[in-house]
Amino acid sequence: KQEVTQIPAALSVPEGENLVLNCSFTDSAIYNLQWFRQDPGKGLTSLLLIQSSQREQTSGRLNASLDKSSGRSTLYIAASQPGDSATYLCAVEGFQKLVFGTGTRLLVSP
Amino acid sequence: GAGVSQSPSNKVTEKGKDVELRCDPISGHTALYWYRQSLGQGLEFLIYFQGNSAPDKSGLPSDRFSAERTGGSVSTLTIQRTQQEDSAVYLCASSPSRVAFFGQGTRLTVV
Repeated sequence: KQEVTQIPAALSVPEGENLVLNCSFTDSAIYNLQWFRQDPGKGLTSLLLIQSSQREQTSGRLNASLDKSSGRSTLYIAASQPGDSATYLCAVEGFQKLVFGTGTRLLVSP
Repeated sequence: GAGVSQSPSNKVTEKGKDVELRCDPISGHTALYWYRQSLGQGLEFLIYFQGNSAPDKSGLPSDRFSAERTGGSVSTLTIQRTQQEDSAVYLCASSPSRVAFFGQGTRLTVV
């Protein structure tokens, strides 16, 4: 059974800092890994999708890496802004369904 | 519409009543997921539909929960004889292939 863990559970940083969110998964037989953002009381927004054959994806200030063999992914956020404050979830897609981690709650202070 | 639409956005029901939650996926998306998110918890998989294949119901927590998808489009999640532990946000997502697009969710409160 696939299990997805995210560390840290919560993170508070001052504006401008670069930061790394971690995601690990137990079963490396995945099709892809996605990073999502969830704002309070709202649904999820897909940020980045990394196919199992890829090692990283970039979108603006976000960079996600994937090391399938070790079961790890990182989300790097450069020059953080208060608007980045949200919960970040990673999800791995194996046979049929997405399995989510419990998320990292990020607070970026002005 | 442009995105996944869920209704109602909020639902308060009395313990023991049945509720129906609706999901309108993005047109043309063959895959549809239901997830549940309890307060402070991660997303719990409930059920997955893919085209005309038999749905993956492995995440449904009890036989009080059921879901159907009519015509490969709209889906309804039904919870019978609701219990207080059913209180959560129920999220629906659709996908054309790999990227999942989520609705805003239905917040269910059982009192």
